[in-house]
Amino acid sequence: QKEVEQNSGPLSVPEGAIASLNCTYSDRGSQSFFWYRQYSGKSPELIMFIYSNGDKEDGRFTAQLNKASQYVSLLIRDSQPSDSATYLCAASGLYTGGFKTIFGAGTRLFVKA
Amino acid sequence: GAGVSQSPSNKVTEKGKDVELRCDPISGHTALYWYRQSLGQGLEFLIYFQGNSAPDKSGLPSDRFSAERTGGSVSTLTIQRTQQEDSAVYLCASSFGTFTEQYFGPGTRLTVT
Repeated sequence: QKEVEQNSGPLSVPEGAIASLNCTYSDRGSQSFFWYRQYSGKSPELIMFIYSNGDKEDGRFTAQLNKASQYVSLLIRDSQPSDSATYLCAASGLYTGGFKTIFGAGTRLFVKA
Repeated sequence: GAGVSQSPSNKVTEKGKDVELRCDPISGHTALYWYRQSLGQGLEFLIYFQGNSAPDKSGLPSDRFSAERTGGSVSTLTIQRTQQEDSAVYLCASSFGTFTEQYFGPGTRLTVT
């Protein structure tokens, strides 16, 4: 069973629309959560970091964390073609065996001009 | 300020040879992480250092892999007797604290022929 799950997509949205990306995690020991954007051939770029229940907004990005439902989401408002990339969800915590950061497989997003 | 740096950016080696990959974290970051990303795959957590504490090595794929961190700063990941399945991008990240934002370096692309 995967510990951090994402819909692999691809998710296709028109330019200017809201893109909604979802992620679930299985271990309640997860303490902090990340969204990264990764362009093909590049390293992951941090988009959002969240550790408290609720919403966190930064520019066009909003992360939502619901620990009761073990659910993290990322909303991208006014999507741009340059947002087309793979979005990685990750969770950090003290798990069996010690500290670890677990990444989901990623959701591919296409923003159509 | 300077980000995480990694060297070399690319490494081609013959099967059976040893390789060393280097990571220089962001100044002031006490935590350092190594990940592996195989072609088209997600990120695999390898090992984590916090300050000068001994790392948890349980995430390393085999005993051919080892890592050290000198003076709580620069880290080296060593792969002995490389195999073709070791071919991947090796990513390093650093953070201010254990559960805080992780920033990635550009990665080292390792190809074992």
